[in-house]
Amino acid sequence: AQSVTQLGSHVSVSEGALVLLRCNYSSSVPPYLFWYVQYPNQGLQLLLKYTTGATLVKGINGFEAEFKKSETSFHLTKPSAHMSDAAEYFCAVNFNKFYFGSGTKLNVKP
Amino acid sequence: GAVVSQHPSRVICKSGTSVKIECRSLDFQATTMFWYRQFPKKSLMLMATSNEGSKATYEQGVEKDKFLINHASLTLSTLTVTSAHPEDSSFYICSASILAGRYNEQFFGPGTRLTVL
Repeated sequence: AQSVTQLGSHVSVSEGALVLLRCNYSSSVPPYLFWYVQYPNQGLQLLLKYTTGATLVKGINGFEAEFKKSETSFHLTKPSAHMSDAAEYFCAVNFNKFYFGSGTKLNVKP
Repeated sequence: GAVVSQHPSRVICKSGTSVKIECRSLDFQATTMFWYRQFPKKSLMLMATSNEGSKATYEQGVEKDKFLINHASLTLSTLTVTSAHPEDSSFYICSASILAGRYNEQFFGPGTRLTVL
């Protein structure tokens, strides 16, 4: 069975600080992992994905994530937060369908 | 490329009426389309999976007679909320997918905000 756990429903950082959003998964098969961002009243925008190959994945807007099989994790990071990064972030694992985490709301303080 | 549209973006209706939401893949043909519901401050809940020309597969707990899904073509799926009630108020998001190797690459629409008075 597939499932996703996002630790921390709310994360608050200062502008310019490191962003770390945590995601752990369980999957009975090799996982395909995704991070999406959602701005208020909008759909989901793909930030990055891991399917095969390099475990460190770079995405849009300076975000990256590392697939760690031994830790069953796929944490999302960004070295320096920007005000425009404030949004809701969802981690997802995909097999035949998507299983989404509960989401983490990122707040960026000036 | 890979743009998915939804129409309408917002709809307000009276209790007891039916509302249709369209989901279109604009520049590709989707093998499968998915419908999600998102409650305030919550994650996305998969409602159903639809393939062109066949009946939708509903997730457990989703009333198929209330949420009618029609997948008329490879670029269009519709969700009709029948006899809507205030508890059906929610944000509905569709996605259209292309089989990419062993997984479905999904592209999400912008969502439809339904408010039932």
